[in-house]
Amino acid sequence: SQTIHQWPATLVQPVGSPLSLECTVEGTSNPNLYWYRQAAGRGLQLLFYSVGIGQISSEVPQNLSASRPQDRQFILSSKKLLLSDSGFYLCAWSVDNNQPQHFGDGTRLSIL
Amino acid sequence: QKEVEQDPGPLSVPEGAIVSLNCTYSNSAFQYFMWYRQYSRKGPELLMYTYSSGNKEDGRFTAQVDKSSKYISLFIRDSQPSDSATYLCAMKDGNNRLAFGKGNQVVVIP
Repeated sequence: SQTIHQWPATLVQPVGSPLSLECTVEGTSNPNLYWYRQAAGRGLQLLFYSVGIGQISSEVPQNLSASRPQDRQFILSSKKLLLSDSGFYLCAWSVDNNQPQHFGDGTRLSIL
Repeated sequence: QKEVEQDPGPLSVPEGAIVSLNCTYSNSAFQYFMWYRQYSRKGPELLMYTYSSGNKEDGRFTAQVDKSSKYISLFIRDSQPSDSATYLCAMKDGNNRLAFGKGNQVVVIP
């Protein structure tokens, strides 16, 4: 069966520091991969998605970037974190565009 | 008008009652409909997935879609304290664009 892993589960970072969140999927090949941010009372916001290695689409302009160096690895990064980057970051995967997305357990990011 | 409307709740019910949740939407291009359950500090877990009008049943869960009224529902029969969570509706168009409701918090009281 397929599983998705995200780490770390919790992260506290100072303003201006870099960020790297990692997500890996097991048990499937060439999945679609997604990064979301979930803010209280605002629902899930799609940040990036990828349909293959090196293929990244950005949904909103922001202080973040994403990379997919391997088939089942998706990384969310920032060079300099802002206070507004605080939130709950979720990685998700799907088999293809017609199948539902499955989520990891997220990273709770606090910026001080 | 927001694309997906979902009452945030919270909705409190006694154990054993039927939980009824719903979402309305405005975009007629939505073709696929999902319900997710999210426990505190966890990621959303897929409960139901359907792409046609009508009912779909899975154990104690029933998903209902009415495309003509742009309305979807989730019913939970014989609710248990372990059903206490936030429930998110989601819908997708033919271009793989996914829109989520804001989530409805459910509390099942033992």
